[in-house]
Amino acid sequence: EAGVTQFPSHSVIEKGQTVTLRCDPISGHDNLYWYRRVMGKEIKFLLHFVKESKQDESGMPNNRFLAERTGGTYSTLKVQPAELEDSGVYFCASSQATGGYGYTFGSGTRLTVV
Amino acid sequence: QKEVEQNSGPLSVPEGAIASLNCTYSDRGSQSFFWYRQYSGKSPELIMFIYSNGDKEDGRFTAQLNKASQYVSLLIRDSQPSDSATYLCAVNADGNNRLAFGKGNQVVVIP
Repeated sequence: EAGVTQFPSHSVIEKGQTVTLRCDPISGHDNLYWYRRVMGKEIKFLLHFVKESKQDESGMPNNRFLAERTGGTYSTLKVQPAELEDSGVYFCASSQATGGYGYTFGSGTRLTVV
Repeated sequence: QKEVEQNSGPLSVPEGAIASLNCTYSDRGSQSFFWYRQYSGKSPELIMFIYSNGDKEDGRFTAQLNKASQYVSLLIRDSQPSDSATYLCAVNADGNNRLAFGKGNQVVVIP
């Protein structure tokens, strides 16, 4: 079984530019999550999809972040325009189960905004 | 107040010893508790979960949960150099599908 795939693995962009991160969950996993770890801080929840619907987007920091999951398969997270404080590692995870069980994380996208 | 606290600094243990990690959480209604292991530059990997008070053992790992005191701990017995990693405590804080993480504890096992 293929794991959760994220790309790019690294991205360096200038402040004000746009970046799109992609996550391919494990096939058949309806639940898809985005998390972010800013340097020196804990991993923080951003949002949760169930199939193509946003179940919980309470962790999205502001309207510069837009997540989509068209067709309920892969998901994208776009940051536009990027700011310095957006730098960090963005993790995607997927699961079949709910309640926090059965998460499989991707290896993350390290975003650096300069 | 942080949802999940892991306050210990890096932990160095000799090979074969027991590594002990602690985690406290703020939401008394939390239901499920998880320990993840993360090697440098890699994805977090689930190693243990627990939801009932008491101990849960899986191989060399034991998770301990005390809901009255709002803490969960992880013991690694017979520590091996391959156990050197960052260990993340995570809590399903409010009954939905969101996990709240602590900052993690780095464990270094010295051969």
